[in-house]
Amino acid sequence: NAGVMQNPRHLVRRRGQEARLRCSPMKGHSHVYWYRQLPEEGLKFMVYLQKENIIDESGMPKERFSAEFPKEGPSILRIQQVVRGDSAAYFCASSPLGRETQYFGPGTRLLVL
Amino acid sequence: GDSVTQMEGPVTLSEEAFLTINCTYTATGYPSLFWYVQYPGEGLQLLLKATKADDKGSNKGFEATYRKETTSFHLEKGSVQVSDSAVYFCALSEAPLYNQGGKLIFGQGTELSVKP
Repeated sequence: NAGVMQNPRHLVRRRGQEARLRCSPMKGHSHVYWYRQLPEEGLKFMVYLQKENIIDESGMPKERFSAEFPKEGPSILRIQQVVRGDSAAYFCASSPLGRETQYFGPGTRLLVL
Repeated sequence: GDSVTQMEGPVTLSEEAFLTINCTYTATGYPSLFWYVQYPGEGLQLLLKATKADDKGSNKGFEATYRKETTSFHLEKGSVQVSDSAVYFCALSEAPLYNQGGKLIFGQGTELSVKP
Protein backbone atom coordinates (compact mmCIF):
# COMPACT_ATOMS: atom_id res chain seq x y z
CA ASN A 1 0.00 0.00 0.00
CA ALA A 2 2.04 2.89 -1.33
CA GLY A 3 2.07 6.14 0.56
CA VAL A 4 1.93 9.63 -0.87
CA MET A 5 4.39 9.94 -3.73
CA GLN A 6 6.14 13.11 -4.73
CA ASN A 7 8.53 13.77 -7.56
CA PRO A 8 11.06 14.92 -8.13
CA ARG A 9 12.61 14.69 -4.67
CA HIS A 10 15.11 17.39 -5.53
CA LEU A 11 14.76 20.10 -8.16
CA VAL A 12 17.26 22.77 -9.15
CA ARG A 13 16.11 25.74 -11.22
CA ARG A 14 17.68 29.01 -12.27
CA ARG A 15 15.89 32.26 -11.64
CA GLY A 16 13.13 32.83 -14.19
CA GLN A 17 12.57 29.15 -15.00
CA GLU A 18 9.44 27.16 -14.22
CA ALA A 19 9.17 24.49 -11.56
CA ARG A 20 6.61 21.67 -11.69
CA LEU A 21 6.10 19.54 -8.60
CA ARG A 22 4.00 16.39 -8.72
CA CYS A 23 2.04 14.61 -6.05
CA SER A 24 0.23 11.27 -6.24
CA PRO A 25 -2.07 10.79 -3.23
CA MET A 26 -2.52 7.53 -1.38
CA LYS A 27 -4.87 5.08 -3.01
CA GLY A 28 -8.45 5.95 -2.19
CA HIS A 29 -7.64 9.51 -1.09
CA SER A 30 -9.50 12.28 -2.88
CA HIS A 31 -8.16 15.32 -0.99
CA VAL A 32 -4.73 16.83 -1.64
CA TYR A 33 -2.97 19.59 0.28
CA TRP A 34 0.24 21.46 -0.49
CA TYR A 35 2.47 22.99 2.19
CA ARG A 36 5.73 24.91 2.01
CA GLN A 37 8.53 24.69 4.54
CA LEU A 38 11.03 27.52 4.38
CA PRO A 39 14.45 26.99 6.00
CA GLU A 40 14.26 26.93 9.80
CA GLU A 41 10.49 27.42 9.74
CA GLY A 42 7.38 25.33 10.18
CA LEU A 43 5.05 24.26 7.44
CA LYS A 44 2.69 26.80 5.90
CA PHE A 45 -0.50 25.80 4.14
CA MET A 46 -0.73 26.74 0.49
CA VAL A 47 -3.71 25.07 -1.18
CA TYR A 48 -6.33 22.34 -0.73
CA LEU A 49 -7.77 20.52 -3.73
CA GLN A 50 -10.18 17.79 -4.58
CA LYS A 51 -10.42 16.23 -8.01
CA GLU A 52 -10.87 19.06 -10.53
CA ASN A 53 -11.67 21.57 -7.77
CA ILE A 54 -9.69 24.05 -5.70
CA ILE A 55 -11.34 24.13 -2.29
CA ASP A 56 -9.08 26.57 -0.41
CA GLU A 57 -6.20 28.54 -1.90
CA SER A 58 -5.89 31.08 0.87
CA GLY A 59 -2.19 30.28 1.38
CA MET A 60 -1.12 30.57 -2.24
CA PRO A 61 0.94 33.57 -3.29
CA LYS A 62 -1.13 35.75 -5.61
CA GLU A 63 1.28 35.57 -8.52
CA ARG A 64 3.36 32.88 -10.22
CA PHE A 65 1.91 29.95 -8.23
CA SER A 66 -0.85 27.64 -9.40
CA ALA A 67 -2.12 24.18 -8.53
CA GLU A 68 -4.33 21.60 -10.12
CA PHE A 69 -5.63 18.12 -9.38
CA PRO A 70 -7.05 16.73 -12.62
CA LYS A 71 -9.53 13.91 -12.95
CA GLU A 72 -6.71 11.62 -14.05
CA GLY A 73 -3.11 11.84 -12.92
CA PRO A 74 -1.21 13.53 -10.11
CA SER A 75 -1.71 16.90 -8.53
CA ILE A 76 0.67 19.53 -9.89
CA LEU A 77 2.06 22.58 -8.12
CA ARG A 78 3.47 24.97 -10.68
CA ILE A 79 5.76 27.89 -9.95
CA GLN A 80 6.46 30.23 -12.85
CA GLN A 81 9.50 32.51 -13.09
CA VAL A 82 11.05 31.19 -9.91
CA VAL A 83 13.02 33.48 -7.61
CA ARG A 84 15.55 32.62 -4.91
CA GLY A 85 12.92 33.12 -2.22
CA ASP A 86 10.99 30.14 -3.64
CA SER A 87 13.76 27.82 -2.43
CA ALA A 88 12.06 25.57 0.10
CA ALA A 89 10.74 22.10 0.74
CA TYR A 90 7.28 21.58 -0.71
CA PHE A 91 5.18 18.87 0.89
CA CYS A 92 2.04 17.26 -0.37
CA ALA A 93 -0.45 15.51 1.90
CA SER A 94 -3.58 13.54 1.20
CA SER A 95 -6.61 12.41 3.13
CA PRO A 96 -9.67 10.29 2.43
CA LEU A 97 -13.04 11.85 1.79
CA GLY A 98 -14.44 13.40 4.96
CA ARG A 99 -11.50 12.53 7.19
CA GLU A 100 -9.14 14.94 8.92
CA THR A 101 -5.90 13.03 9.24
CA GLN A 102 -3.44 13.98 6.52
CA TYR A 103 -0.65 11.73 5.32
CA PHE A 104 2.46 13.41 4.01
CA GLY A 105 4.78 12.66 1.14
CA PRO A 106 8.57 12.88 1.37
CA GLY A 107 8.63 16.36 -0.12
CA THR A 108 10.31 18.08 -3.05
CA ARG A 109 13.29 20.24 -2.19
CA LEU A 110 13.48 23.13 -4.62
CA LEU A 111 16.69 25.09 -4.95
CA VAL A 112 16.69 28.24 -7.06
CA LEU A 113 20.10 29.40 -8.19
CA GLY B 1 -6.71 33.77 13.09
CA ASP B 2 -5.94 30.33 14.45
CA SER B 3 -2.38 29.71 15.57
CA VAL B 4 -0.12 27.20 17.29
CA THR B 5 2.84 28.03 19.52
CA GLN B 6 5.50 25.54 20.50
CA MET B 7 8.40 25.80 22.89
CA GLU B 8 11.58 26.76 21.15
CA GLY B 9 14.34 24.28 20.57
CA PRO B 10 16.67 22.71 20.23
CA VAL B 11 16.00 20.44 23.17
CA THR B 12 18.90 18.20 24.16
CA LEU B 13 18.33 15.27 26.48
CA SER B 14 20.21 12.21 27.62
CA GLU B 15 18.83 8.78 26.78
CA GLU B 16 16.06 7.64 29.16
CA ALA B 17 15.28 11.20 30.25
CA PHE B 18 11.70 12.50 30.49
CA LEU B 19 10.49 14.63 27.60
CA THR B 20 7.97 17.45 27.54
CA ILE B 21 7.41 19.67 24.51
CA ASN B 22 4.90 22.40 25.20
CA CYS B 23 2.22 23.33 22.68
CA THR B 24 -0.56 25.89 23.04
CA TYR B 25 -3.11 27.00 20.51
CA THR B 26 -5.67 29.67 19.74
CA ALA B 27 -8.73 28.76 17.73
CA THR B 28 -12.19 30.17 17.16
CA GLY B 29 -13.88 26.79 16.96
CA TYR B 30 -13.24 23.30 18.28
CA PRO B 31 -10.14 22.05 16.52
CA SER B 32 -8.59 18.62 16.31
CA LEU B 33 -4.99 18.54 17.51
CA PHE B 34 -2.03 16.63 16.12
CA TRP B 35 1.62 15.90 16.72
CA TYR B 36 3.75 15.12 13.69
CA VAL B 37 7.40 14.05 13.65
CA GLN B 38 9.94 14.80 10.92
CA TYR B 39 13.18 12.86 10.64
CA PRO B 40 16.07 14.45 8.73
CA GLY B 41 15.44 14.66 5.00
CA GLU B 42 12.00 13.09 5.25
CA GLY B 43 8.36 14.11 5.23
CA LEU B 44 6.10 14.37 8.26
CA GLN B 45 4.71 11.32 9.99
CA LEU B 46 1.62 11.46 12.15
CA LEU B 47 2.60 10.64 15.73
CA LEU B 48 -0.71 11.04 17.54
CA LYS B 49 -3.93 13.03 17.54
CA ALA B 50 -6.90 14.02 19.69
CA THR B 51 -10.23 15.26 18.41
CA LYS B 52 -12.02 16.55 21.50
CA ALA B 53 -11.39 17.93 24.95
CA ASP B 54 -9.82 15.54 27.49
CA ASP B 55 -8.94 13.01 24.76
CA LYS B 56 -5.49 11.51 25.14
CA GLY B 57 -3.56 10.55 22.03
CA SER B 58 -0.75 8.03 22.38
CA ASN B 59 1.71 6.20 20.16
CA LYS B 60 5.19 4.67 20.56
CA GLY B 61 5.41 5.77 24.19
CA PHE B 62 4.47 9.38 23.37
CA GLU B 63 1.27 10.88 24.68
CA ALA B 64 -0.57 14.19 24.72
CA THR B 65 -3.85 15.27 26.30
CA TYR B 66 -6.24 17.80 24.75
CA ARG B 67 -6.74 20.45 27.45
CA LYS B 68 -9.44 22.89 26.41
CA GLU B 69 -9.27 24.91 29.61
CA THR B 70 -5.60 25.73 29.07
CA THR B 71 -5.71 25.46 25.25
CA SER B 72 -2.75 23.11 25.37
CA PHE B 73 -1.60 19.81 23.87
CA HIS B 74 1.80 19.10 25.44
CA LEU B 75 3.79 16.13 24.15
CA GLU B 76 5.36 13.81 26.74
CA LYS B 77 7.44 10.67 26.81
CA GLY B 78 8.70 8.96 29.91
CA SER B 79 12.02 7.68 28.57
CA VAL B 80 13.47 8.97 25.31
CA GLN B 81 15.78 7.05 23.02
CA VAL B 82 18.45 8.20 20.58
CA SER B 83 16.11 7.17 17.76
CA ASP B 84 13.59 9.80 18.93
CA SER B 85 15.91 12.55 17.69
CA ALA B 86 13.83 14.51 15.17
CA VAL B 87 11.77 17.68 14.76
CA TYR B 88 8.32 17.60 16.35
CA PHE B 89 5.43 19.70 15.06
CA CYS B 90 2.20 20.48 16.85
CA ALA B 91 -0.73 21.26 14.55
CA LEU B 92 -4.45 21.96 14.59
CA SER B 93 -7.26 21.46 12.15
CA GLU B 94 -10.62 23.13 12.45
CA ALA B 95 -13.53 20.70 12.53
CA PRO B 96 -14.34 20.10 8.90
CA LEU B 97 -17.64 20.49 7.19
CA TYR B 98 -19.30 17.25 6.24
CA ASN B 99 -17.16 15.45 3.69
CA GLN B 100 -14.65 18.28 3.61
CA GLY B 101 -11.13 18.35 4.95
CA GLY B 102 -9.33 21.33 6.32
CA LYS B 103 -5.90 22.85 6.34
CA LEU B 104 -3.45 22.12 9.12
CA ILE B 105 -1.93 25.02 11.01
CA PHE B 106 1.50 24.15 12.34
CA GLY B 107 3.69 25.40 15.11
CA GLN B 108 7.26 26.29 14.25
CA GLY B 109 8.63 22.89 15.26
CA THR B 110 10.86 21.78 18.12
CA GLU B 111 14.11 19.98 17.39
CA LEU B 112 14.89 17.17 19.82
CA SER B 113 18.38 15.72 20.13
CA VAL B 114 18.88 12.68 22.36
CA LYS B 115 22.43 11.80 23.37
CA PRO B 116 23.53 8.29 24.37
